[in-house]
Amino acid sequence: TQLLEQSPQFLSIQEGENLTVYCNSSSVFSSLQWYRQEPGEGPVLLVTVVTGGEVKKLKRLTFQFGDARKDSSLHITAAQPGDTGLYLCAGGGASGSRLTFGEGTQLTVNP
Amino acid sequence: NAGVMQNPRHLVRRRGQEARLRCSPMKGHSHVYWYRQLPEEGLKFMVYLQKENIIDESGMPKERFSAEFPKEGPSILRIQQVVRGDSAAYFCASSSEYYNEQFFGPGTRLTVL
Repeated sequence: TQLLEQSPQFLSIQEGENLTVYCNSSSVFSSLQWYRQEPGEGPVLLVTVVTGGEVKKLKRLTFQFGDARKDSSLHITAAQPGDTGLYLCAGGGASGSRLTFGEGTQLTVNP
Repeated sequence: NAGVMQNPRHLVRRRGQEARLRCSPMKGHSHVYWYRQLPEEGLKFMVYLQKENIIDESGMPKERFSAEFPKEGPSILRIQQVVRGDSAAYFCASSSEYYNEQFFGPGTRLTVL
Protein backbone atom coordinates (compact mmCIF):
# COMPACT_ATOMS: atom_id res chain seq x y z
CA THR A 1 0.00 0.00 0.00
CA GLN A 2 1.38 3.38 -0.98
CA LEU A 3 1.25 6.06 1.70
CA LEU A 4 1.99 9.75 1.60
CA GLU A 5 2.77 11.61 4.80
CA GLN A 6 2.34 15.36 4.89
CA SER A 7 3.78 17.66 7.48
CA PRO A 8 2.95 19.75 9.26
CA GLN A 9 -0.72 18.92 9.61
CA PHE A 10 -1.58 22.45 10.76
CA LEU A 11 0.33 25.67 10.19
CA SER A 12 -0.65 29.14 11.38
CA ILE A 13 1.61 32.02 10.40
CA GLN A 14 1.60 35.78 10.00
CA GLU A 15 1.30 37.54 6.68
CA GLY A 16 4.70 37.98 5.05
CA GLU A 17 6.31 34.89 6.55
CA ASN A 18 7.72 32.01 4.52
CA LEU A 19 6.70 28.39 4.95
CA THR A 20 7.42 24.91 3.65
CA VAL A 21 5.10 21.92 3.51
CA TYR A 22 6.55 18.44 3.11
CA CYS A 23 5.20 15.32 1.48
CA ASN A 24 7.08 12.05 2.03
CA SER A 25 6.67 8.45 1.01
CA SER A 26 8.60 5.20 0.94
CA SER A 27 7.13 4.55 -2.52
CA VAL A 28 8.20 5.88 -5.89
CA PHE A 29 5.60 7.83 -7.87
CA SER A 30 5.53 8.56 -11.57
CA SER A 31 4.09 11.98 -10.82
CA LEU A 32 3.18 14.10 -7.89
CA GLN A 33 0.47 16.70 -7.83
CA TRP A 34 -0.27 19.50 -5.39
CA TYR A 35 -3.80 20.70 -4.83
CA ARG A 36 -5.42 23.41 -2.79
CA GLN A 37 -8.89 22.91 -1.38
CA GLU A 38 -11.24 25.53 0.04
CA PRO A 39 -14.08 24.57 2.42
CA GLY A 40 -17.05 23.17 0.54
CA GLU A 41 -15.16 22.95 -2.75
CA GLY A 42 -13.19 20.40 -4.69
CA PRO A 43 -9.38 20.30 -4.82
CA VAL A 44 -7.88 22.67 -7.37
CA LEU A 45 -4.75 21.48 -9.15
CA LEU A 46 -1.76 23.76 -8.55
CA VAL A 47 1.07 21.85 -10.22
CA THR A 48 2.23 18.46 -11.47
CA VAL A 49 5.86 17.36 -11.21
CA VAL A 50 7.09 14.27 -13.01
CA THR A 51 10.89 14.35 -13.15
CA GLY A 52 13.14 13.57 -10.18
CA GLY A 53 14.77 16.78 -8.97
CA GLU A 54 12.29 18.93 -10.85
CA VAL A 55 11.55 22.41 -9.51
CA LYS A 56 8.52 24.40 -10.63
CA LYS A 57 7.63 27.95 -9.65
CA LEU A 58 4.18 29.45 -9.64
CA LYS A 59 4.46 33.08 -8.55
CA ARG A 60 5.30 32.87 -4.82
CA LEU A 61 4.97 29.08 -4.72
CA THR A 62 7.92 26.78 -5.39
CA PHE A 63 7.40 23.04 -5.82
CA GLN A 64 10.16 20.46 -5.76
CA PHE A 65 10.12 16.74 -6.56
CA GLY A 66 12.79 14.68 -4.85
CA ASP A 67 15.53 13.04 -6.89
CA ALA A 68 14.17 9.59 -6.09
CA ARG A 69 10.57 10.67 -6.79
CA LYS A 70 9.50 9.68 -3.29
CA ASP A 71 9.08 13.09 -1.73
CA SER A 72 8.09 16.63 -2.55
CA SER A 73 7.93 20.04 -0.94
CA LEU A 74 5.90 23.20 -1.38
CA HIS A 75 7.49 26.48 -0.35
CA ILE A 76 5.49 29.70 -0.13
CA THR A 77 7.31 33.00 0.03
CA ALA A 78 5.77 36.04 1.73
CA ALA A 79 2.50 34.30 2.54
CA GLN A 80 -0.72 36.25 2.19
CA PRO A 81 -4.14 35.71 3.80
CA GLY A 82 -5.41 34.57 0.40
CA ASP A 83 -3.06 31.59 0.65
CA THR A 84 -5.16 30.18 3.49
CA GLY A 85 -6.50 26.75 2.65
CA LEU A 86 -5.93 23.00 2.74
CA TYR A 87 -2.91 21.92 0.71
CA LEU A 88 -2.89 18.34 -0.51
CA CYS A 89 -0.16 16.35 -2.18
CA ALA A 90 -1.10 13.35 -4.30
CA GLY A 91 1.11 10.71 -5.86
CA GLY A 92 0.18 9.03 -9.10
CA GLY A 93 1.32 6.20 -11.31
CA ALA A 94 1.27 6.03 -15.04
CA SER A 95 -1.51 7.53 -17.10
CA GLY A 96 -4.87 6.35 -15.90
CA SER A 97 -4.12 5.33 -12.35
CA ARG A 98 -5.41 6.30 -8.95
CA LEU A 99 -3.98 9.14 -6.90
CA THR A 100 -2.82 8.49 -3.37
CA PHE A 101 -3.42 11.56 -1.23
CA GLY A 102 -1.65 12.84 1.83
CA GLU A 103 -3.76 13.92 4.81
CA GLY A 104 -3.27 17.58 3.97
CA THR A 105 -1.79 20.66 5.57
CA GLN A 106 -4.26 23.24 6.83
CA LEU A 107 -2.58 26.61 6.36
CA THR A 108 -3.86 29.77 8.02
CA VAL A 109 -2.23 33.08 7.18
CA ASN A 110 -3.18 35.81 9.61
CA PRO A 111 -3.23 39.44 8.49
CA ASN B 1 -14.21 26.27 -20.47
CA ALA B 2 -16.40 23.84 -18.54
CA GLY B 3 -14.58 21.91 -15.89
CA VAL B 4 -15.71 18.74 -14.19
CA MET B 5 -19.40 18.99 -13.33
CA GLN B 6 -21.03 17.20 -10.44
CA ASN B 7 -24.62 17.15 -9.33
CA PRO B 8 -26.28 17.44 -7.05
CA ARG B 9 -23.98 19.54 -4.88
CA HIS B 10 -25.86 18.51 -1.76
CA LEU B 11 -27.94 15.39 -1.25
CA VAL B 12 -29.89 14.36 1.82
CA ARG B 13 -31.12 10.81 2.17
CA ARG B 14 -32.71 8.79 4.93
CA ARG B 15 -31.21 5.48 5.97
CA GLY B 16 -32.16 2.75 3.53
CA GLN B 17 -32.71 5.04 0.55
CA GLU B 18 -30.63 5.15 -2.60
CA ALA B 19 -28.21 7.92 -3.54
CA ARG B 20 -27.20 8.68 -7.14
CA LEU B 21 -24.29 10.99 -7.78
CA ARG B 22 -23.52 12.26 -11.27
CA CYS B 23 -20.28 13.40 -12.85
CA SER B 24 -19.58 14.88 -16.26
CA PRO B 25 -15.86 14.94 -17.08
CA MET B 26 -14.01 17.80 -18.67
CA LYS B 27 -14.34 18.05 -22.42
CA GLY B 28 -11.91 15.70 -24.09
CA HIS B 29 -11.35 13.58 -20.98
CA SER B 30 -12.20 9.91 -21.16
CA HIS B 31 -11.04 8.79 -17.70
CA VAL B 32 -13.19 9.30 -14.60
CA TYR B 33 -12.24 8.71 -10.99
CA TRP B 34 -14.35 8.81 -7.83
CA TYR B 35 -12.94 9.69 -4.43
CA ARG B 36 -14.54 9.96 -1.00
CA GLN B 37 -13.59 12.42 1.70
CA LEU B 38 -14.89 11.55 5.15
CA PRO B 39 -15.05 14.26 7.82
CA GLU B 40 -11.57 14.96 9.19
CA GLU B 41 -10.01 12.49 6.77
CA GLY B 42 -8.16 12.72 3.50
CA LEU B 43 -9.35 11.83 0.03
CA LYS B 44 -9.60 8.11 -0.61
CA PHE B 45 -9.77 6.51 -4.04
CA MET B 46 -12.89 4.52 -4.81
CA VAL B 47 -13.10 3.63 -8.50
CA TYR B 48 -11.61 4.42 -11.90
CA LEU B 49 -13.64 4.12 -15.09
CA GLN B 50 -13.29 4.65 -18.79
CA LYS B 51 -16.23 4.73 -21.17
CA GLU B 52 -18.31 1.57 -20.56
CA ASN B 53 -15.53 -0.05 -18.53
CA ILE B 54 -14.56 -0.25 -14.88
CA ILE B 55 -10.77 -0.32 -14.78
CA ASP B 56 -10.07 -0.32 -11.03
CA GLU B 57 -12.70 -0.64 -8.32
CA SER B 58 -10.38 -1.77 -5.57
CA GLY B 59 -11.25 1.21 -3.34
CA MET B 60 -14.98 0.78 -3.52
CA PRO B 61 -16.92 -1.19 -0.88
CA LYS B 62 -18.08 -4.51 -2.31
CA GLU B 63 -21.64 -4.12 -1.14
CA ARG B 64 -24.17 -1.37 -1.86
CA PHE B 65 -21.80 0.70 -4.03
CA SER B 66 -21.64 0.62 -7.81
CA ALA B 67 -20.36 2.89 -10.55
CA GLU B 68 -20.83 3.21 -14.27
CA PHE B 69 -19.67 5.43 -17.12
CA PRO B 70 -21.98 4.77 -20.06
CA LYS B 71 -21.17 5.50 -23.66
CA GLU B 72 -23.52 8.48 -23.52
CA GLY B 73 -24.11 10.61 -20.48
CA PRO B 74 -22.40 11.21 -17.16
CA SER B 75 -20.70 8.79 -14.84
CA ILE B 76 -22.94 7.63 -12.00
CA LEU B 77 -21.92 6.57 -8.51
CA ARG B 78 -24.79 4.70 -6.91
CA ILE B 79 -25.13 3.88 -3.24
CA GLN B 80 -27.96 1.59 -2.29
CA GLN B 81 -29.51 1.35 1.17
CA VAL B 82 -27.47 4.22 2.53
CA VAL B 83 -26.28 4.20 6.14
CA ARG B 84 -25.09 7.09 8.30
CA GLY B 85 -21.47 6.10 7.72
CA ASP B 86 -21.90 6.93 4.03
CA SER B 87 -22.19 10.63 4.90
CA ALA B 88 -19.22 12.25 3.21
CA ALA B 89 -18.12 14.43 0.34
CA TYR B 90 -17.83 12.49 -2.90
CA PHE B 91 -15.54 13.93 -5.54
CA CYS B 92 -15.22 13.06 -9.17
CA ALA B 93 -12.07 13.76 -11.16
CA SER B 94 -11.25 13.35 -14.82
CA SER B 95 -8.11 13.07 -16.90
CA SER B 96 -7.13 12.58 -20.50
CA GLU B 97 -5.83 9.26 -21.73
CA TYR B 98 -2.33 10.70 -22.08
CA TYR B 99 -1.57 12.35 -18.76
CA ASN B 100 -2.43 11.47 -15.19
CA GLU B 101 -3.30 15.05 -14.26
CA GLN B 102 -6.63 14.76 -12.54
CA PHE B 103 -9.03 17.69 -12.37
CA PHE B 104 -11.69 17.61 -9.70
CA GLY B 105 -15.30 18.64 -9.61
CA PRO B 106 -16.90 20.59 -6.76
CA GLY B 107 -18.14 17.44 -5.07
CA THR B 108 -21.45 16.11 -3.81
CA ARG B 109 -22.00 16.34 -0.09
CA LEU B 110 -24.14 13.41 1.00
CA THR B 111 -25.88 13.54 4.35
CA VAL B 112 -27.66 10.44 5.60
CA LEU B 113 -30.23 11.11 8.30
